[in-house]
Amino acid sequence: EVQLVESGGGLVQPGGSLRLSCVASGFLLSEYSMNWARQAPGKGLEWVSYSNSGSSVIHYADSVKGRFTISRDNAKNSLYLQMNSLRAEDTAVYYCTRGRPTNYLDYWGQGTLVTVSS
Amino acid sequence: IQLTQSPSSLSASVGDRVTITCRASQDISSYLAWYQQKPGQAPRLLLYTTSTLQSGVPSRFSGSGSGTDFTLTISSLQPEDSATYYCQRLNTYPPWTFGRGTKLEIK
Repeated sequence: EVQLVESGGGLVQPGGSLRLSCVASGFLLSEYSMNWARQAPGKGLEWVSYSNSGSSVIHYADSVKGRFTISRDNAKNSLYLQMNSLRAEDTAVYYCTRGRPTNYLDYWGQGTLVTVSS
Repeated sequence: IQLTQSPSSLSASVGDRVTITCRASQDISSYLAWYQQKPGQAPRLLLYTTSTLQSGVPSRFSGSGSGTDFTLTISSLQPEDSATYYCQRLNTYPPWTFGRGTKLEIK
């Protein structure tokens, strides 16, 4: 059974940093592209970042470019999102998702809440 | 590329045929997916590449369209279909934009 479990969310002050983790099970991370998506409270979905299976192709939404870094450790079957210079508008539930060809997202984690507030 | 969903919300009765529309600001061929999200849950993939049903999704869900105009149809609404539905632009390059969602309630 495919599972994605995120962790690392919490309360952080504006300008601070946080690192999210996502542990995958039921499949080999090394064989799939992966994404982070987010959802602000009461709002819609926003794609945040993409990594192909070998980390040779990485993309970011304009809203996080230069502040967030996606990475993976295929040996640990884990995906990460390093978030720096956090802003109030980054407050959201962050989801780890598996990407398929053309990047439809077939599996999602349960999400981890990041709150940026003083 | 912007995706505009309509309506933003709707209310329908069990057994009704329901249609949700997603319009792209430019031609995206058949590169569209649909997701269902219930309160407090992660989104669930329903359809991809416009009309391919994801494994395990009931056959009452179907998708159609191409270019700029797409529809998600629920042929016979069930109580468990109460949720918010999102469309998403697909392709091999970003951004993988989502629509703003359509909230479906059961009367």
